[in-house]
Amino acid sequence: GAVVSQHPSRVICKSGTSVKIECRSLDFQATTMFWYRQFPKQSLMLMATSNEGSKATYEQGVEKDKFLINHASLTLSTLTVTSAHPEDSSFYICSAKHSSQNYNEQFFGPGTRLTVL
Amino acid sequence: GQNIDQPTEMTATEGAIVQINCTYQTSGFNGLFWYQQHAGEAPTFLSYNVLDGLEEKGRFSSFLSRSKGYSYLLLKELQMKDSASYLCAVRDRGSARQLTFGSGTQLTVLP
Repeated sequence: GAVVSQHPSRVICKSGTSVKIECRSLDFQATTMFWYRQFPKQSLMLMATSNEGSKATYEQGVEKDKFLINHASLTLSTLTVTSAHPEDSSFYICSAKHSSQNYNEQFFGPGTRLTVL
Repeated sequence: GQNIDQPTEMTATEGAIVQINCTYQTSGFNGLFWYQQHAGEAPTFLSYNVLDGLEEKGRFSSFLSRSKGYSYLLLKELQMKDSASYLCAVRDRGSARQLTFGSGTQLTVLP
């Protein structure tokens, strides 16, 4: 149990276009999902915390108008990178926190590799 | 805020034991996690410590000392597949229970 999926796994787009990444908890409900970004040979940096039915909380330095987050249900959160530029090329990973207090860890999706040309 | 330090790289031999240290300074503490991450993949959960002491799970063990702001991950009987980045992460006390990750320790296991 506790599987998180991401779609797409890999995307290449032109500069100026928008890209939507989906994060789904497949067999559990997640009231909270997290979006991370990881540049090569660096650690995961939290971008935003997504709560079902409310606005996302963004970390300092992350533009909320550029990285749109929607958490419409207990199993789905989406991250849209608007007007993507080459510097947005990165590995984007989501994680989900199980609604039950019995689970301590976050469950990570497989990640989405974004390349902006 | 959180500040987490761990060595950048380590090398060990197949079959050996390796200890990866992690120190942290935190404004609020609600648990420490270790994750394994292979290149190009998402992190996978290894261990969780919230109380002082040693947690053992197969070949992997994790230790926590809250008073010292210190943890280590111990890997025994190293295998080639253990070559990966090992991430130390601290969870805060906030309602969202966010994780702050260290920069990761790249472990290379040599034959």
